Amino acid sequence: QVQLQESGPGLVEPSETLSLTCTVSGGSISNYYWSWIRQPPGKGLEWIGYVYYTRTTKYNPSLKSRATISIDTSKNQFSLRLNSVTAADTAFYYCARSNGYNPAFHYWGQGPLVTVSS
Amino acid sequence: QSVLTQASSASGTPGQRVIISCSGSSSNVGSNTVNWYQQVPGMAPKLLIYSNDQRLSGVPDRFSASKSGSSASLAISGLQSDDEAHYFCASWDDSLNVVFGGGTKVTVL
Repeated sequence: QVQLQESGPGLVEPSETLSLTCTVSGGSISNYYWSWIRQPPGKGLEWIGYVYYTRTTKYNPSLKSRATISIDTSKNQFSLRLNSVTAADTAFYYCARSNGYNPAFHYWGQGPLVTVSS
Repeated sequence: QSVLTQASSASGTPGQRVIISCSGSSSNVGSNTVNWYQQVPGMAPKLLIYSNDQRLSGVPDRFSASKSGSSASLAISGLQSDDEAHYFCASWDDSLNVVFGGGTKVTVL
């Protein structure tokens, strides 16, 4: 059974960089699209971007180039860095897997809350 | 402000049929497939329907979906108490972006 697990700090200071890693177990990271999706408390879902196992990436234009997603196939992990964070970046951050760019995310991580505050 | 438009809430009594709509445009729903998710409080979203109308294995056939033009809908028949959740639609947009609906909260009265 494929499982995804996010890890990283739950508290980030304003203007700093948010960093999260998603570890994939129970299956290979190859041949799939790996996305980061966030959800502010009580609000809807926002796609941040994806990385393909070939390291091809695509991002949500609304994030204005603040996001970087990378992948380490040797560790079965992929990561998110979001710089210059503000309180508006406080959200539950999910990692998820899809078979293609079509957003059918069959597997999700638990989605830890990351709070931006001093 | 979500790109795909959903009503914020819907409700029904046990056994009733509830329909949730998702309205988009020619650049997303109109030209790409739609997926539906169920999210209960405190949990990650769960994929119910992909490629417009394909139920994921294990999803009860009480859940069905369709798409016409730039709109899609999810129907829940024989409403049950554990169907109470938020439901989101999602699609690819030709601006090279994944877009979601704002979500519909279904309440079982």
